[in-house]
Amino acid sequence: SQTIHQWPATLVQPVGSPLSLECTVEGTSNPNLYWYRQAAGRGLQLLFYSVGIGQISSEVPQNLSASRPQDRQFILSSKKLLLSDSGFYLCAWSLQGNSPLHFGNGTRLTVT
Amino acid sequence: SQQGEEDPQALSIQEGENATMNCSYKTSINNLQWYRQNSGRGLVHLILIRSNEREKHSGRLRVTLDTSKKSSSLLITASRAADTASYFCATDLYTGANSKLTFGKGITLSVRP
Repeated sequence: SQTIHQWPATLVQPVGSPLSLECTVEGTSNPNLYWYRQAAGRGLQLLFYSVGIGQISSEVPQNLSASRPQDRQFILSSKKLLLSDSGFYLCAWSLQGNSPLHFGNGTRLTVT
Repeated sequence: SQQGEEDPQALSIQEGENATMNCSYKTSINNLQWYRQNSGRGLVHLILIRSNEREKHSGRLRVTLDTSKKSSSLLITASRAADTASYFCATDLYTGANSKLTFGKGITLSVRP
C-alpha cells in the first residue's frame, strides 16, 4: 500500500533562517506531488505541484521554492524565512489524472 | 478568490442527528471532492463525484452534485462524536496532467455526545 511521510511535524525557526521540509512517498511510481499551506480559517493554498522529476509548477509567487530530486521525493525550501511564512504545510500525492489527493500529516512551522 | 465555498462555516449537532454541509463553486468543474481533517492532521479523502454524476454514497456519507446550480452537498447520517472534524470541498477544473484541486475554507463540525 502507498504511504506518505512528511517531516518534521513541528518546527520553530527565526526570521531570516533557511527552511527545508521533506516529503517522501512509498508504494507508487511517478505520482503527482503537491505542497499546500493552510493558514487558520483560510483553507488550503496550493503552493507547488510536480508531475515528474525536475518538473515544478509554482502557483503563488513567494519566498518559497520546491524541488523534486527523485521520483517520490518533494522538498520545500526557503533561503530566508519571513514571519508570514508561518503556517501548516501539507504535502500530498495523487495518481496521474483526476484522482484524489493523499495527504501527509503536515508540518506546523512557526517563524519567530 | 475561492473556487469552492462551504456553508455553513460551523455546525454543531447532537449525536445521532444528520449533518448537512453545502459547497458552492463558480466555474465548470471536472469533479468535486470532499475531504475531512481532524485537528492538527492532514486531510483525508472522503468521496469524489464527477461532473456527470448526481449522487454518490459511501457508508453514512451521501454526496449530491447539481451542476446547474454549481453546488454540492455532503450529508452525514446518524452522526457520531468521532465525526467531529473540519470538512472541505475541493473542485478540480481540468483533466489529465493539469488536474489541480482548489479547496474551500472548510466547515467545522462538532458532534455533541
